Amino acid sequence: EPEVTQTPSHQVTQMGQEVILRCVPISNHLYFYWYRQILGQKVEFLVSFYNNEISEKSEIFDDQFSVERPDGSNFTLKIRSTKLEDSAMYFCASKFPETQYFGPGTRLLVL
Amino acid sequence: SQQGEEDPQALSIQEGENATMNCSYKTSINNLQWYRQNSGRGLVHLILIRSNEREKHSGRLRVTLDTSKKSSSLLITASRAADTASYFCATVVTGTYKYIFGTGTRLKVLA
Repeated sequence: EPEVTQTPSHQVTQMGQEVILRCVPISNHLYFYWYRQILGQKVEFLVSFYNNEISEKSEIFDDQFSVERPDGSNFTLKIRSTKLEDSAMYFCASKFPETQYFGPGTRLLVL
Repeated sequence: SQQGEEDPQALSIQEGENATMNCSYKTSINNLQWYRQNSGRGLVHLILIRSNEREKHSGRLRVTLDTSKKSSSLLITASRAADTASYFCATVVTGTYKYIFGTGTRLKVLA
């Protein structure tokens, strides 16, 4: 069964560094999402992406964040200058037609 | 209160018993979805109920939706130890692409 994959599974970075989290959505899906989950807290919507552009973003998704679908396969989330509070699990999801399928997540630790 | 609050926050039951979790939301929605998350893992979609539906079944799962009360419940019948997980409701606010997740219920099923 096709599934959403994410790399890396874990990322440790220094505060102020840039990180790129990668996702490969399920191939015939058209809607893509990024979420984050701080340890022990609820899942928070970051951004939705459709037709090569952002369709919705949350207040969390500020200028430090960007998303891209560079090659029709990968879907990336870039954090330009990481802060301590960016430490969280980041989940990618793709949707078809109404059901979201989540990847296993990337655990990001900012030191 | 927040969009997507769930109660109880935690629930501990014996194997074979039924587990009921509730979700409340604040805005008009297109649909409501329930997800399961095993500790530290990605979310797995369980069931979707549309705003014009009142009840839906899938295996041992039964979901109800009361749009007048802006609430939903998830019933897991004949629970198993493998049902131990966190359960989240998620809503899509009408007219948006934004999914809002509830605070989650941590279910523990004791063998």
